[in-house]
Amino acid sequence: DAKTTQPNSMESNEEEPVHLPCNHSTISGTDYIHWYRQLPSQGPEYVIHGLTSNVNNRMASLAIAEDRKSSTLILHRATLRDAAVYYCIRSNNAGNMLTFGGGTRLMVKP
Amino acid sequence: EAGVTQSPTHLIKTRGQQATLRCSPISGHTSVYWYQQALGLGLQFLLWYDEGEERNRGNFPPRFSGRQFPNYSSELNVNALELEDSALYLCASSLLVKPQETQYFGPGTRLLVL
Repeated sequence: DAKTTQPNSMESNEEEPVHLPCNHSTISGTDYIHWYRQLPSQGPEYVIHGLTSNVNNRMASLAIAEDRKSSTLILHRATLRDAAVYYCIRSNNAGNMLTFGGGTRLMVKP
Repeated sequence: EAGVTQSPTHLIKTRGQQATLRCSPISGHTSVYWYQQALGLGLQFLLWYDEGEERNRGNFPPRFSGRQFPNYSSELNVNALELEDSALYLCASSLLVKPQETQYFGPGTRLLVL
């Protein structure tokens, strides 16, 4: 049970911003929200994580809703190399493993 | 700094055989995780080792086992291989045991069972 809901796929044009949504309506107060992505033929790669506040790093921004029931990963300018499956994951102290759902397959058009 | 490494990159076995997959975590990381990515099933958690001990296990049969060595490297053993064990096996490591801790993944071992 991944406990997050994401669209199966999204399309974007190169150089444009991309907003990848994630629903986690049953999130608890101690659950962190992580985003990983998996490029073709590679292992997953960490993108960003947060708890309550919006977060920025060199790869992306994470906007977390005030009620924490949803979040959005923002890629400010999509490149062809950003084409990947993006996973939104909740994590807490229960076992420390990551529970992956189906993710969103992002396609970037030149 | 070297990332997580896994060996072999590819492994071909026949039904009933045993497979051994190896993982070296990032230097200084004490936690190692194993995941299975089978076609059509997504990434599923297999095992978590920390400080040499098995800390958690996913919903897999006992023929999936492993261990962590004193240098924190890890082995995943799959006994009595079945066709459906064909998958990409991913290893990840993390520095600390905290829910916000990032897991760093290796490139995986692709196991094919004939």
